[in-house]
Amino acid sequence: NAGVTQTPKFQVLKTGQSMTLQCAQDMNHNSMYWYRQDPGMGLRLIYYSASEGTTDKGEVPNGYNVSRLNKREFSLRLESAAPSQTSVYFCASSVRLESRGGYTFGSGTRLTVV
Amino acid sequence: GESVGLHLPTLSVQEGDNSIINCAYSNSASDYFIWYKQESGKGPQFIIDIRSNMDKRQGQRVTVLLNKTVKHLSLQIAATQPGDSAVYFCPGATGGSYIPTFGRGTSLIVHP
Repeated sequence: NAGVTQTPKFQVLKTGQSMTLQCAQDMNHNSMYWYRQDPGMGLRLIYYSASEGTTDKGEVPNGYNVSRLNKREFSLRLESAAPSQTSVYFCASSVRLESRGGYTFGSGTRLTVV
Repeated sequence: GESVGLHLPTLSVQEGDNSIINCAYSNSASDYFIWYKQESGKGPQFIIDIRSNMDKRQGQRVTVLLNKTVKHLSLQIAATQPGDSAVYFCPGATGGSYIPTFGRGTSLIVHP
């Protein structure tokens, strides 16, 4: 099925551990995004990639790094996880940054840091 | 930056009733609006969009109204069904680079 695929779906980390959240899209979209969603907070943009080879900070980038591996894949890395990073993470993609057709979201990764 | 808010965090309706979800925006330069629906355990999903040169746009069972004078838009859902239960977002956009800014959303609860 065409769309945005995120792995893993669930993860529990201990404080200080590192991990990478994977995201891949098969719609030939140029732009990709990482959001986090906390209860009552809506979605907040962490990082985005307007096109292959570029990445930019969003609203809440601290504690995260990203890699646009190729046009399809955009990964999010937590180098030293903290309890404050417990959240649901969503990856999204769009045709381009100025896309007026909306975003396609993945189903999310639920991360718990203990 | 864009600031969007919703008048009610939760809206409860009976199945079959019409639902109206409201959204206010502060940036008068916003020229494009999208409504997203997020069901429990899933990512947001595009429902319908409207450009600032329009007052109304209709989709299947949904209608979006835009009032630029008071910077307000609404999503109307006709004959609400249990499957419409979700959180609804209305991120706004300003011309140029468009990266949605999501507010808290409105939780629509449909009672059978």
